[in-house]
Amino acid sequence: EPEVTQTPSHQVTQMGQEVILRCVPISNHLYFYWYRQILGQKVEFLVSFYNNEISEKSEIFDDQFSVERPDGSNFTLKIRSTKLEDSAMYFCASIQDLYEQYFGPGTRLTVT
Amino acid sequence: GDSVTQMEGPVTLSEEAFLTINCTYTATGYPSLFWYVQYPGEGLQLLLKATKADDKGSNKGFEATYRKETTSFHLEKGSVQVSDSAVYFCALSGSNTNAGKSTFGDGTTLTVKP
Repeated sequence: EPEVTQTPSHQVTQMGQEVILRCVPISNHLYFYWYRQILGQKVEFLVSFYNNEISEKSEIFDDQFSVERPDGSNFTLKIRSTKLEDSAMYFCASIQDLYEQYFGPGTRLTVT
Repeated sequence: GDSVTQMEGPVTLSEEAFLTINCTYTATGYPSLFWYVQYPGEGLQLLLKATKADDKGSNKGFEATYRKETTSFHLEKGSVQVSDSAVYFCALSGSNTNAGKSTFGDGTTLTVKP
């Protein structure tokens, strides 16, 4: 069964550094998403992406965040200057229709 | 906007006990409803889903029925096992606002003791 993949599984970075989290959505999906889960908390929507542009973003997704689909397969989330509070699990998801999102396994980001 | 309210946890049960985790939602249109399970240190696993009113989702002994009249999607299992210990998230997507985005509840931690 096709699946969403994410790399790396764990990223450790120093405060102020830039990080890029990578996702490979399922190949025939058209809508892509990033979510964040701070340890022990709920899963929060960050951004949705369709037709090479952001279709919606939450208030969490400020100017420090950006997303890109640099080629036909990857979907990336960049954090320009990481803060301690960016430490979280980041999930990528993609959909083909409205009934189910396919979530990746997540990238655990630790900012020290 | 859309919202999902889950019963507060944590929930602690003995093995073979009956489980109910309540979930209610607010959304425009006709969303699809989901339960996800998350084991410690792992990602989200889809447990079950229902895409329209009166649908019953089921998997691994868990069930939930989409009740539009009460805007609820309560998770039930007749006899829990120690291996069911995890965090359970109720979620919706496909409402009239950003159709594909998922909105999650706060999660309910279930601990099953032998």
